[in-house]
Order: sequence, then structure tokens, then C-alpha cells
Amino acid sequence: EIVMTQSPDTLSVSPGQRATLSCRASQSVSSKLAWYQQKPGQAPRLLIYGASTRATGIPDRFSGSGSGTGFTLTISSLQSEDFAIYYCQQYSNWPPWTFGQGTKVEIK
Amino acid sequence: EVQLVESGGGLVQPGGSLRLSCAASGFTLSNYEIYWLRQAPGKGLEWVSYIGISGSTKYYSDSVNGRFTISTDNTKNSLYLQMTSLRGEDTAVYYCARDPQLGMDVFDIWGQGTMVTVSS
Repeated sequence: EIVMTQSPDTLSVSPGQRATLSCRASQSVSSKLAWYQQKPGQAPRLLIYGASTRATGIPDRFSGSGSGTGFTLTISSLQSEDFAIYYCQQYSNWPPWTFGQGTKVEIK
Repeated sequence: EVQLVESGGGLVQPGGSLRLSCAASGFTLSNYEIYWLRQAPGKGLEWVSYIGISGSTKYYSDSVNGRFTISTDNTKNSLYLQMTSLRGEDTAVYYCARDPQLGMDVFDIWGQGTMVTVSS
């Protein structure tokens, strides 16, 4: 099973500032890495797949990068609606499909 | 509108059973790979089960294998998760989710979730 580890657990950022979230895989997942956003009481929403491809309707302030074992989600200028929990997910080696523990982006 | 709607959650005693449903609208469920995932209170996301196109292949996580069964009813365009021998650690919000394209293995459409609480 591939273990996904996200850092930091919590990120405090001011509105308008950049947020950088990290995700590391216990073995290479190539570019088979997705990012999701989850707000309280809601289902997750797909943001990024293929490590860097934005899903339909996702604003271009969200960008993903990386390959192999190290990945980054960058939110270029945080808007109020971006404060949420973000999860990475690998789909290189399955089952199981595995997620990181999440990074909470909170208002500084 | 493409949509998934779960139902069937509730309070059940340890050792009990429950069947969750996931109704699809706006697309034909049997043409897609579909998943069940869950999220324990205050915790992260966990994959539970998978069913392939036309029910061809099924997978289960180690934590539910032998206790949960995934199935579909094409006449109702619905997905099910039969859960037996329930344990406290099965307490979670259960989501069904769709893979947008064969082999993509990501989850683009999610239901709103249904809460399962296992407690005496």
C-alpha cells in the first residue's frame, strides 16, 4: 500500500497571499496524483488530477506540480472561499486508492 | 444535472447490518467505475469499495473485506453497499463517487454523504 503524507497539517495564510501545500508518496506514483478540496459539511471536490491538470471549472489560481514522490498544490492568491481542507490522493498502485491525512488552510 | 444521492445511513448496534444506496441521475451508472469512500468524524478520507463497469470487477479495502458487499441495479440506476458485522470503527460519513473516465481513477462526482453510526 502506498502511504501519502501531507505537510503541514495546518497552514495559516492571510487572504490574498500564496499557499503552498506538500504531499509525499512512500513510493513513486509517477504523475498519478490528485488534489481535492473539502469544506465543512460538504463532500470533497476534485481540483487537480494528473498532478497538474485542473478539473473542470477550477480557477487558475490553483496549480499542481511534481512527479514521482513529491508534489505541491499552490493557491496563488487565497480567496475567502479557499479556506478548507485539502487532500492528495494517489491512483498509481491500487487497490487501495489512498489519501493523505489532509492539510487545513485557515485564515491568519 | 449529473448527480449522486446517498441514503440508508443511520444508527445501528455493533454486529448489525445496514444497506446504503446511491442513486445516480444525469448519467448511466453502469457505464462508469464507481466507488464507496468514507470519512470518520474529524478524520480523513478512506476508500472502501470499487465496482467496475457493468459490475465486472469488485474490490474492497482490507478493513471491510468479507463484511461489505458492493452491487448495482441497472434498472434503478443505483449503487448499493450491504454492510454486515458492523463495528464501531465503521462509524463514518459514507460517500459514493464516480470516476469520470475509464482508468482515470479519480473521483469527480460525489454524493452528499450518508452518516452511519455504530453504537450500542
